[in-house]
Amino acid sequence: GESVGLHLPTLSVQEGDNSIINCAYSNSASDYFIWYKQESGKGPQFIIDIRSNMDKRQGQRVTVLLNKTVKHLSLQIAATQPGDSAVYFCAEIGSARQLTFGSGTQLTVLP
Amino acid sequence: GAVVSQHPSRVICKSGTSVKIECRSLDFQATTMFWYRQFPKQSLMLMATSNEGSKATYEQGVEKDKFLINHASLTLSTLTVTSAHPEDSSFYICSAPLTGGGEKLFFGSGTQLSVL
Repeated sequence: GESVGLHLPTLSVQEGDNSIINCAYSNSASDYFIWYKQESGKGPQFIIDIRSNMDKRQGQRVTVLLNKTVKHLSLQIAATQPGDSAVYFCAEIGSARQLTFGSGTQLTVLP
Repeated sequence: GAVVSQHPSRVICKSGTSVKIECRSLDFQATTMFWYRQFPKQSLMLMATSNEGSKATYEQGVEKDKFLINHASLTLSTLTVTSAHPEDSSFYICSAPLTGGGEKLFFGSGTQLSVL
């Protein structure tokens, strides 16, 4: 995964707009990716996952896109709501099922 | 659904004391559990992999004598921070994969450790 950053990238969106959160990964051999949402003081919460044999997967209000050519992952949240405010991490899973997390993005939904 | 319970959620201790954090899988068995550490506004970093009935596997740079891991049963793993110092203050999170449930991991709610 990407290196741990010293500060968290931030994204601010208006309530009702769509959000796009991006993530780059480094291990071209990774074949499974997960997006997590973490609220302050809590553990990560599973949002959606995708395998490397897919380039898109949709859930309820969320879509994950995978571009293996450039090793890029994105999370799209439709009609962003105040409850979506949190830190979002992408993660890739290793051979021993351990997760390597990206640096995360702080999403703030503005009223 | 599967739940991972972590306790305590918050602990404040004096420098030099030891702190034990528990991670339990509530309705499934976990032969493996993972321990992560997260500093403020940073990502989660894997510290160690806890294996039921055998020694834990530590990531590079993590002192095994300082962060003692015990996985004595299929539903419980403990992390003991020995002789804690202020630099050990962090958010510690455990996770467990659901056996037979693919790669989906369930996370505990985390423990905020503050060492004075």
